[in-house]
Amino acid sequence: DTGVSQNPRHKITKRGQNVTFRCDPISEHNRLYWYRQTLGQGPEFLTYFQNEAQLEKSRLLSDRFSAERPKGSFSTLEIQRTEQGDSAMYLCASSSNIGGAFFGQGTRLTVV
Amino acid sequence: AQSVTQPDIHITVSEGASLELRCNYSYGATPYLFWYVQSPGQGLQLLLKYFSGDTLVQGIKGFEAEFKRSQSSFNLRKPSVHWSDAAEYFCAVVASQAGTALIFGKGTTLSVSS
Repeated sequence: DTGVSQNPRHKITKRGQNVTFRCDPISEHNRLYWYRQTLGQGPEFLTYFQNEAQLEKSRLLSDRFSAERPKGSFSTLEIQRTEQGDSAMYLCASSSNIGGAFFGQGTRLTVV
Repeated sequence: AQSVTQPDIHITVSEGASLELRCNYSYGATPYLFWYVQSPGQGLQLLLKYFSGDTLVQGIKGFEAEFKRSQSSFNLRKPSVHWSDAAEYFCAVVASQAGTALIFGKGTTLSVSS
């Protein structure tokens, strides 16, 4: 068990570019979550997968955001046409049940 | 809508002193409650959780929390703080009985003075 792995750890991109982040959950976990965290705030829920099905999306997840979890394993989060307001830490978490999610170290996105 | 309030943005305690971090939730049904800790440059780590049963739950690193339904609170405590406990602490509640997303408070930053 190597924990939840996120790549890249840091990403700097120019406004208007597309970016994609990857999350590898703990292998036996069927639930996967994406959160966003800005400075001085708690993590905010973006979306949730159970296996390969995306079951819930926050209203924070605008049309520019898309997430996938093919085959119920790793997940990707893509942001199209990035804006400066997208700058944040993007956190991935996984769990096997309702018993508390395990978080990765996050991908810090800076849009310049 | 479900929400979590952590009234204290920043707390400083002396090393060896006791600690209590406050958390209040707003949720109609029986809540599932969690405390997480985030150290600089580190991911969120689960300290403890409450689902049902005994209202005093024990966690890792010597932390405990008490669920008080009458006060809608789930305060985190530690009898003797160590310098390594300096971090940001987040209280969270599960949004629904279906058990999906965690809703987090804004966090409390703990500083430990020597």
